[in-house]
Amino acid sequence: QVQLVESGGGLVKPGGSLRLSCVASGFIFSDYYMTWIRQAPGKGLEYISYIGNSVSYTSYADSVKGRFTISRDNTKNSLYLQMDSLRVEDTAVYYCARGGVATTGHFQHWGLGTLVTVSS
Amino acid sequence: EIVLTQSPDFQSVAPKEKVTITCRASQSIGGSLHWYQQKPGQSPKLLIKYASQSISGVPSRFSGSGSGTDFTLTINGLEAEDAATYYCHQSSSLLTFGGGTKVEIK
Repeated sequence: QVQLVESGGGLVKPGGSLRLSCVASGFIFSDYYMTWIRQAPGKGLEYISYIGNSVSYTSYADSVKGRFTISRDNTKNSLYLQMDSLRVEDTAVYYCARGGVATTGHFQHWGLGTLVTVSS
Repeated sequence: EIVLTQSPDFQSVAPKEKVTITCRASQSIGGSLHWYQQKPGQSPKLLIKYASQSISGVPSRFSGSGSGTDFTLTINGLEAEDAATYYCHQSSSLLTFGGGTKVEIK
């Protein structure tokens, strides 16, 4: 069965950095678009970034553009999110989700999320 | 950026009643609209893909309709386990989510 397991969250000071990981299993990872989505405490879902299956294509929400970098290692079935210049408003649960083969599409599979807290 | 506006924000409904949630896009997205259910402390769960396509394992009381800019999620015969927040999501241009609709059991 498809599994997505995020890790790397924690407490970090404003201006700091954190690297999130998402390890995938149960499907051919290299075939699929992958996406990071976050949810601030008590708030709704917010798209952060996605990466194409060929690695060459990436996209970012304006709120994180220039600060966050998405990447993937298909040999390790892993998705990453490097988060720099963190702000208090980046505090959220970060989910990775599997998209489609030819496009991001819908998200049928989600991880359980990892909590990132940005606070001094 | 395509903005998705959900309504209502909150709905309190008695069991067995019908629930209708709407999602309006700021520009046409064809049929690239998906619906999710999220319960407290859980990850979102896909209910409907591409406006009206059902998902295996999702109860048949959940259905979706619409195209272009106006979409609807319907729950026919609300059950206690359906208490949750529901989100729409568009994948036509970049990605955006609606603000969510919280459904409470009366």
